Amino acid sequence: QQPVQSPQAVILREGEDAVINCSSSKALYSVHWYRQKHGEAPVFLMILLKGGEQMRHEKISASFNEKKQQSSLYLTASQLSYSGTYFCGQIITQGGSEKLVFGKGTKLTVNP
Amino acid sequence: DADVTQTPRNRITKTGKRIMLECSQTKGHDRMYWYRQDPGLGLRLIYYSFDVKDINKGEISDGYSVSRQAQAKFSLSLESAIPNQTALYFCATSDFPPGLAGSETQYFGPGTRLLVL
Repeated sequence: QQPVQSPQAVILREGEDAVINCSSSKALYSVHWYRQKHGEAPVFLMILLKGGEQMRHEKISASFNEKKQQSSLYLTASQLSYSGTYFCGQIITQGGSEKLVFGKGTKLTVNP
Repeated sequence: DADVTQTPRNRITKTGKRIMLECSQTKGHDRMYWYRQDPGLGLRLIYYSFDVKDINKGEISDGYSVSRQAQAKFSLSLESAIPNQTALYFCATSDFPPGLAGSETQYFGPGTRLLVL
């Protein structure tokens, strides 16, 4: 039930672009993206809702393809501050209640 | 002041000891969560609570128990700690806007780093 992220790790030079993918075997109603910088807690970036628009957080944008049950996070003109581990999450229903389940994360390193 | 706080921030304990990790929040959220994070495994849900009277097991609840003392407080206990419970533990809270399915946003505490020897 855990969403699958790819790639597991990415190394960029400052200014380069990257795409992080998140896919699910279950129907997605929403996709959540969080970033965790080294030694810090995860921080919410954005939510993409079914039927909603492409979202953006600063220069990071994301899309949600409901039919393919996947989301992609686009990091353009990467900055050093983008370094961290990116997690996608999906809401699943279990035992009558909903909860957020995270993927294993994609580690992004941006070098000067 | 931080909205979600965890105590202690770091703890070393021995196998077999009982240990409690505490989480407090000032966000006024009903929903609270405990996760553990291990390298390469992401965030795994241990327990979650949707209100004071509602406690639910997550993916990896064996060896753990929780207590929701009040809306603002959610504690995680390891009754008899073992070395493979060495991990980084996060508490989180969330709002859940009615009528906006799937739009929950989680707010994480700073984490507790636990080492079981």
